Amino acid sequence: NAGVMQNPRHLVRRRGQEARLRCSPMKGHSHVYWYRQLPEEGLKFMVYLQKENIIDESGMPKERFSAEFPKEGPSILRIQQVVRGDSAAYFCASSLITSGQSDGYTFGSGTRLTVV
Amino acid sequence: TQLLEQSPQFLSIQEGENLTVYCNSSSVFSSLQWYRQEPGEGPVLLVTVVTGGEVKKLKRLTFQFGDARKDSSLHITAAQPGDTGLYLCAAKAAGNKLTFGGGTRVLVKP
Repeated sequence: NAGVMQNPRHLVRRRGQEARLRCSPMKGHSHVYWYRQLPEEGLKFMVYLQKENIIDESGMPKERFSAEFPKEGPSILRIQQVVRGDSAAYFCASSLITSGQSDGYTFGSGTRLTVV
Repeated sequence: TQLLEQSPQFLSIQEGENLTVYCNSSSVFSSLQWYRQEPGEGPVLLVTVVTGGEVKKLKRLTFQFGDARKDSSLHITAAQPGDTGLYLCAAKAAGNKLTFGGGTRVLVKP
């Protein structure tokens, strides 16, 4: 009964390259969320997706960042032309279909992106 | 300004001491959650509080939701080194999006 799986755990990219972060939600979870965490800080919301739909992308930078959650396969967070300021830990979380406010999230272990 | 303000930002105590972490907001929430995050890992849900004035206990951890549902506290009794970590409060504001406080980093020294 695997939890939320993220890969890779660590990713090093040179400035200008593309970074692709993958997230497989818990079995039965249809809601996926991406968060970014800088050292010594809390988590900042980026995007909320359901299968084939972006529900809320209010936390996504307007340029270079995109996310998808296809019908088949993991959710992908893509960062094009990475810059040093993109270095952070990126966490994915999933939840059940929710009808109430009290549903908790299950988080993956994160992908630590380092841009050199 | 953050939707959820946590205090203190950092707390260092000796094993066996008690500590309290606070989470405050000017907004009213239907529920509030507490997570703990250890280095190199994702946050793990500890508890969800729903009712104003509610108190929940999880072993040596006591969680309280304010009567007005705007604030919450986490109290740890007789802290142990295993309690070391980043404690985060979180709440859903609009839609299904969970918003986190800035976190309180707790260090329990043996």
